[in-house]
Amino acid sequence: DAKTTQPPSMDCAEGRAANLPCNHSTISGNEYVYWYRQIHSQGPQYIIHGLKNNETNEMASLIITEDRKSSTLILPHATLRDTAVYYCIVRVNFGNEKLTFGTGTRLTIIP
Amino acid sequence: DTEVTQTPKHLVMGMTNKKSLKCEQHMGHRAMYWYKQKAKKPPELMFVYSYEKLSINESVPSRFSPECPNSSLLNLHLHALQPEDSALYLCASSQDGPVGATNEKLFFGSGTQLSVL
Repeated sequence: DAKTTQPPSMDCAEGRAANLPCNHSTISGNEYVYWYRQIHSQGPQYIIHGLKNNETNEMASLIITEDRKSSTLILPHATLRDTAVYYCIVRVNFGNEKLTFGTGTRLTIIP
Repeated sequence: DTEVTQTPKHLVMGMTNKKSLKCEQHMGHRAMYWYKQKAKKPPELMFVYSYEKLSINESVPSRFSPECPNSSLLNLHLHALQPEDSALYLCASSQDGPVGATNEKLFFGSGTQLSVL
């Protein structure tokens, strides 16, 4: 039972901003939105997470709508190394709570 | 050191073999995880250990046997596997902080690519 919905694939030109959408209409009040990515033949890598405020770090920005039913991950200046599968996950944020992956978005950066 | 190290990177085994996958972290994390990933599919949770005790078993067949000998190590013992068990096995760790902790991100290793013949 997927908690998130993402487009299966997207393309983005190198140097442009990549905007990856995610719908999580059934998110609970204590669930955070997490983004991970998985580059081919590697383990998933944490990108960013947030509860209700927009967040930014050195990798990306996360924009969460006011009703928290959807979010967008923004990679501001995409490079070829950003080609990966991007997973949007909702998760309560304590202890050893399980992290359940959905099908993700395969992002391809075009030279 | 923010690494999760998995060994071996590749493993080929027969259906009658016994083998073990190993995972190690030195970040002081107290939660450790095993995931299984088939080709072109998302990772699927298998087991979670919290403070060296098994806290989640996602109905995994008994031919997979996890072990957490100490807070830095996690093993997955394999016995009598089937060809359909061929997959990438990923280990991860997280801090496992108190309720209300705000930074429970998981760190993943690069995985062991397992082939069962």
